[in-house]
Amino acid sequence: DAKTTQPNSMESNEEEPVHLPCNHSTISGTDYIHWYRQLPSQGPEYVIHGLTSNVNNRMASLAIAEDRKSSTLILHRATLRDAAVYYCILSGGSNYKLTFGKGTLLTVNP
Amino acid sequence: NAGVMQNPRHLVRRRGQEARLRCSPMKGHSHVYWYRQLPEEGLKFMVYLQKENIIDESGMPKERFSAEFPKEGPSILRIQQVVRGDSAAYFCASSPPGITYGYTFGSGTRLTVV
Repeated sequence: DAKTTQPNSMESNEEEPVHLPCNHSTISGTDYIHWYRQLPSQGPEYVIHGLTSNVNNRMASLAIAEDRKSSTLILHRATLRDAAVYYCILSGGSNYKLTFGKGTLLTVNP
Repeated sequence: NAGVMQNPRHLVRRRGQEARLRCSPMKGHSHVYWYRQLPEEGLKFMVYLQKENIIDESGMPKERFSAEFPKEGPSILRIQQVVRGDSAAYFCASSPPGITYGYTFGSGTRLTVV
């Protein structure tokens, strides 16, 4: 399975934008890039996904590099409720068989 | 609209006992997925079920673990003769037919084997 690399942790200030990077240099042509987040003692929450083009939804934006070897999740204005572990996951052809890594722990400072 | 409901939230079992974890998918969702999160590790896929069918159980341990999703009622993940290594958080997700992204997860069942 193609792997992803994310920083262990990041910090942000409330109401500032946050850019969460993810490297996936061995991504295959059919891999979708999924982002989920997980708050303490909760199940993962879907954030966004994409294949080649940049994507926007009400929660975030996903910027995908032209060569697809990296992507960035963008939270436009961080709030305290955005503090969570963020996972970047490649679908590997089976979108339901997601393998979550360690993710990035995002801390949002008031 | 209630989300994915899992119960119990916490379950303590002695070694050798059976553990039954329940998952009620969101209304209108007929596909259920079980994941396990071992301590200090990421979630890993276990099994994918549709009503009365196991579609993919490639992530299930070969012994002691089974899952079902009957025509009526919740999906059940059953662990027989639990061992300490089964202690983990078990999460269930669901999706409607034809959707292959954006799964809705429940809050999980935290199993502790003593």
